[in-house]
Amino acid sequence: DSGVTQTPKHLITATGQRVTLRCSPRSGDLSVYWYQQSLDQGLQFLIQYYNGEERAKGNILERFSAQQFPDLHSELNLSSLELGDSALYFCASSPLWGAVDTGELFFGEGSRLTVL
Amino acid sequence: LAKTTQPISMDSYEGQEVNITCSHNNIATNDYITWYQQFPSQGPRFIIQGYKTKVTNEVASLFIPADRKSSTLSLPRVSLSDTAVYYCLVGGSGGSYIPTFGRGTSLIVHP
Repeated sequence: DSGVTQTPKHLITATGQRVTLRCSPRSGDLSVYWYQQSLDQGLQFLIQYYNGEERAKGNILERFSAQQFPDLHSELNLSSLELGDSALYFCASSPLWGAVDTGELFFGEGSRLTVL
Repeated sequence: LAKTTQPISMDSYEGQEVNITCSHNNIATNDYITWYQQFPSQGPRFIIQGYKTKVTNEVASLFIPADRKSSTLSLPRVSLSDTAVYYCLVGGSGGSYIPTFGRGTSLIVHP
């Protein structure tokens, strides 16, 4: 158990819909990362927050948005869903921003999104 | 950002030692080398991290030559449960480092 909690674990929805994925980081971790993993794209970085502020953006679509709340949990909002958005969405946390020397990212179990 | 190159796939048999090499020719002075393991439908899990020479923990060893342009993850006596994708990441401490996962190496351990 990494200590990172993601909900829901599975989500099935239709094209055009909007969903929200939730992530609770490990206790004390200030940094949250979101990744998307699909079969043909591998693990793609989407966005990072540190202590409530956006710190870095990757290949995140304009239809997607995220935020980190004062209690440090984060939400990833996906709107106008398309078939191609079907993927595993992972949240990871770490104690510091960009802190490689302290060790690792702690990943959640992921949220599997299926868009029909 | 240092680019990494690792084999797409490897096969091994139970009980063998597996070595996965990662090339990172443009590694920067402050960059660390980190390896993750990912099982199907699970999030990646940290295995080991190093800066130079050799690092060993209860799971694996990491060998880094003096020029640091490559690194080798060594898994001793693999079992079927070591079948997973292994990712090599290179990046520096602090600043704007974003852990970037390539396609990784898919290791299949056969009975």
